[in-house]
Parts: sequence; C-alpha cells; structure tokens
Amino acid sequence: DGGITQSPKYLFRKEGQNVTLSCEQNLNHDAMYWYRQDPGQGLRLIYYSQIVNDFQKGDIAEGYSVSREKKESFPLTVTSAQKNPTAFYLCASSSQGAVNTQYFGPGTRLTVL
Amino acid sequence: EDKVVQSPLSLVVHEGDTVTLNCSYEVTNFRSLLWYKQEKKAPTFLFMLTSSGIEKKSGRLSSILDKKELFSILNITATQTGDSAIYLCAVEARNSNSGYALNFGKGTSLLVTP
Repeated sequence: DGGITQSPKYLFRKEGQNVTLSCEQNLNHDAMYWYRQDPGQGLRLIYYSQIVNDFQKGDIAEGYSVSREKKESFPLTVTSAQKNPTAFYLCASSSQGAVNTQYFGPGTRLTVL
Repeated sequence: EDKVVQSPLSLVVHEGDTVTLNCSYEVTNFRSLLWYKQEKKAPTFLFMLTSSGIEKKSGRLSSILDKKELFSILNITATQTGDSAIYLCAVEARNSNSGYALNFGKGTSLLVTP
C-alpha cells in the first residue's frame, strides 16, 4: 500500500519548544517537500530535497530545519525561532524532476499554546 | 508580490449552479499549471495544463489555459454539495535556486448549499 504518511495528525506545543514533524514515503521518490498552509492562504514552500543528504531552502525557511538521511524520510523541525508556528504542515514527494507531479501527505496541524 | 492570483477568494452557490474559478499568474519560465481540490486534508490533483487552448475534462469539471493572457479557469457544472472545498491553483516555474518549484495561489473556498 504505497503512499506518503505524516505524523502526528495533531500536535500541541508550548512556546519555546522545538518540535519535529514526521514525513515518510514508500513511493521510491527522490524528491520531498515541506509546505506550510495558513487559513486563507495557499501553500508556501519551507524546504525541499531532491536527493538524499541534500536539501534547499524554500520561500519561508527561517525558524525551520530539515534532514534527509534516508530516501524515505524527510523530518521537519519547527524551532523556537519560528515566530508564528501555528499552521497546517503538508509534506509531499515526487519523482526526480517531476515537480508538477507531487503526492501530498495528510498533513499535521500544529498548535502552539 | 503574488505570482499566482486566484479569484474569487470565496464563493457560495446553490446545488446545480455552474461556477468558474480563475487563476492568473506572472512567473519566470512557466512550465505547467495545476489545479488541486482540498477538503480539509491533503490536496488532491485535478488537472495539469501545459498547452494553451486545450480543454481538460473530468466529469463535471473542466479547465483550460491561456498562455498568452497568463490565466486559467476551472469550471464546475451542476455543482453538488460534495464539490465544497478549497480549490488551489499552482504554477510550476523556475525558482531562485535555478530549479523548478510550485507557486500556489491562496485558493478559492467554494461552498455549495443544498
């Protein structure tokens, strides 16, 4: 059963804490992406990775960090430096170079208390 | 500056109505335009458009691209309550890292009432 999974579905965090969102795919995709979605807004690219051990900043990378140690996994850490972390976070993956054929995970809703 | 602009931002219609959603763009090195439907979770793919004037159709939904005027429309005929969702337009174009990325509009929130 191929697909892309994110966990947890809902996450609550106190101000000042770092938190890591999980994203796993078994589609054998080389490229993975992290987006943030705020109410009334489209998706904004945080980070993306086109290959293992390599990643690039997107449009809103400040306050976030990622790693890509395995092809299947692309975790996102929301650090305490991120001023407005409450949002819906979506992970996606695609074949190498196929930016326009991204498969999305179900998302994680992060709320900072 | 917004690269991808969708209109209207929200829309309420009655079942059976026909709706037209708009997406205009201004990007460098356009490669494709995509439409997604989002119902509270992951966006699901509807259409990918790369050529002007060729209509893509799937049931009651259809879409067309105008690369000269830089816009696309998504039509939904005979709307049903299940069409209620956010419709996202995304344009694949060259980004600041010299690669390609999807640039999303803010979406159109459609509510179809019984």
